[in-house]
Amino acid sequence: NAGVTQTPKFQVLKTGQSMTLQCAQDMNHNSMYWYRQDPGMGLRLIYYSASEGTTDKGEVPNGYNVSRLNKREFSLRLESAAPSQTSVYFCASSVVDNQPQHFGDGTRLSIL
Amino acid sequence: QKEVEQNSGPLSVPEGAIASLNCTYSDRGSQSFFWYRQYSGKSPELIMFIYSNGDKEDGRFTAQLNKASQYVSLLIRDSQPSDSATYLCAVKDSGGSNYKLTFGKGTLLTVNP
Repeated sequence: NAGVTQTPKFQVLKTGQSMTLQCAQDMNHNSMYWYRQDPGMGLRLIYYSASEGTTDKGEVPNGYNVSRLNKREFSLRLESAAPSQTSVYFCASSVVDNQPQHFGDGTRLSIL
Repeated sequence: QKEVEQNSGPLSVPEGAIASLNCTYSDRGSQSFFWYRQYSGKSPELIMFIYSNGDKEDGRFTAQLNKASQYVSLLIRDSQPSDSATYLCAVKDSGGSNYKLTFGKGTLLTVNP
């Protein structure tokens, strides 16, 4: 009963490096989301996927790209990491977009 | 910019008391409201959701919604030390971007034994 699984859990990068955060859900949900959470800023939506094959920008998409690989998987890519992208990243999913979202455990990303 | 406002706290209550957490929102057309609990260093966990005006009860938790006043609250009865966490209010946006949840910054609740 895994729910939403994120990998890796922790990562340290150097400025300019690239990496992909992985997210998979086993609840047969249609919608998936990527958020970042920063102290004093709350949770902010980076990208959203209503269903397989579709993606939309959220509140803070600059510097990120996403891929909805299939119904289960939604990845977030940082092409050229910057210190401002140091954050905790959460993936979430929901049955459809007006239903409650369920979160993964998060990825703690530090960029030096 | 749609906003969700919460008192950052900390809200401190004694064990066994009722904790009352409040949230106001700016999007008058919003129809869906959610409360999440987040322990330090952990991910948000869904506690309750409410779509209609009035009260919704689930165990020790009661969500209250007043759309006319643009106000949603969460009551926790018989508070326990294990309820100590940050509580996030989330409101689903109306209009074109109707997939988006706007989160408040959260209220830190401390339940003292």
